[in-house]
Amino acid sequence: DTAVSQTPKYLVTQMGNDKSIKCEQNLGHDTMYWYKQDSKKFLKIMFSYNNKELIINETVPNRFSPKSPDKAHLNLHINSLELGDSAVYFCASSRKRTSGGGETQYFGPGTRLLVL
Amino acid sequence: AQKVTQAQTEISVVEKEDVTLDCVYETRDTTYYLFWYKQPPSGELVFLIRRNSFDEQNEISGRYSWNFQKSTSSFNFTITASQVVDSAVYFCAFRTGNQFYFGTGTSLTVIP
Repeated sequence: DTAVSQTPKYLVTQMGNDKSIKCEQNLGHDTMYWYKQDSKKFLKIMFSYNNKELIINETVPNRFSPKSPDKAHLNLHINSLELGDSAVYFCASSRKRTSGGGETQYFGPGTRLLVL
Repeated sequence: AQKVTQAQTEISVVEKEDVTLDCVYETRDTTYYLFWYKQPPSGELVFLIRRNSFDEQNEISGRYSWNFQKSTSSFNFTITASQVVDSAVYFCAFRTGNQFYFGTGTSLTVIP
């Protein structure tokens, strides 16, 4: 059984469209994250959710919005897609953040988004 | 300011050689965590190790070993007797509180 899963694996779309990427974890973790990996392999955290509360929100465009219907899911909605949004998006999860924030994050397989 | 530096962009070694991947971090915090992740050509991110700032003990796991030195703010990763399957991009990561940073990665190629 996959611990952290993402759908779709590949997503090709036109500029201006709105799309969603889904993430589910079956590890019983309390915190979930979204990362963006650009073409140079640089990884940057975008969001994290802990018990349905946003606890990290890096300077990403407000076209990106995380939605967490429950602790096991954190979906990423992207409005008005732009060419620069093309990247690999990784979902991750960890146990609830404690003092120091050292919980190990386990990653999904990634969603490769290509905006044409 | 960048918190994690992986100065080696690409490394190539011949199979069975030992290789060390460098990671240097920058922080004024006393409590922090360091991680290493592997990203093979298939693209997934695989957790390798986590270390907290209060535990400088080196760790060995099979052919992998990690050397954590607070005096030099380094958390280096050594692969002994490298194998072709070790070819991947390796990321060092740093976390303190709500802040989480990845290094830019070191691409390791093991030549058969």
